[in-house]
Amino acid sequence: GQQLNQSPQSMFIQEGEDVSMNCTSSSIFNTWLWYKQDPGEGPVLLIALYKAGELTSNGRLTAQFGITRKDSFLNISASIPSDVGIYFCAGFRGGSNYKLTFGKGTLLTVNP
Amino acid sequence: DAGITQSPRYKITETGRQVTLMCHQTWSHSYMFWYRQDLGHGLRLIYYSAAADITDKGEVPDGYVVSRSKTENFPLTLESATRSQTSVYFCASSGETDTQYFGPGTRLTVL
Repeated sequence: GQQLNQSPQSMFIQEGEDVSMNCTSSSIFNTWLWYKQDPGEGPVLLIALYKAGELTSNGRLTAQFGITRKDSFLNISASIPSDVGIYFCAGFRGGSNYKLTFGKGTLLTVNP
Repeated sequence: DAGITQSPRYKITETGRQVTLMCHQTWSHSYMFWYRQDLGHGLRLIYYSAAADITDKGEVPDGYVVSRSKTENFPLTLESATRSQTSVYFCASSGETDTQYFGPGTRLTVL
């Protein structure tokens, strides 16, 4: 099935650094979602984006819905050790079944 | 407690046995989903349900059976477990929106 291209696959950074990751697709999505998964837990929703060009923040996290509707970006500023985890993007194309298409995730490691 | 729960959290079984993973949500969400998560594959949709008694196949349904007799429950059954079904299984639910909320997962090992 359709997959989102999420990059990078992994990142190893120092505490205090900023982080950027992105998702791209060959087709249009109407909604972009960003989730974080802590080790041993389920994904938790961080940010939801509903409009092309939209820029939304949640604390130190900022995400953007690409103007072409084929991509989305997530930035984390001033990283801290608890930012460690896997970050997933997900896209929703529309329709009545509410199925999401997921990226394969970005594994973030923060060195204190 | 409010939210979405899964049981058991960990399960070890043997090849050929039947296993049922439970999922329960207290939001009265219409939609429920089952995913498996494997290294290199990310989250893959197994089955989903739009309402009680309405279910449909996802990306990787073979070897799995679901039912939804009540809105709040969505059990996933492996009729005859195989080693390739060793995975972490996540249940999710959503209301009349595209935002899905995930349970804590069940880690299943098939020996």
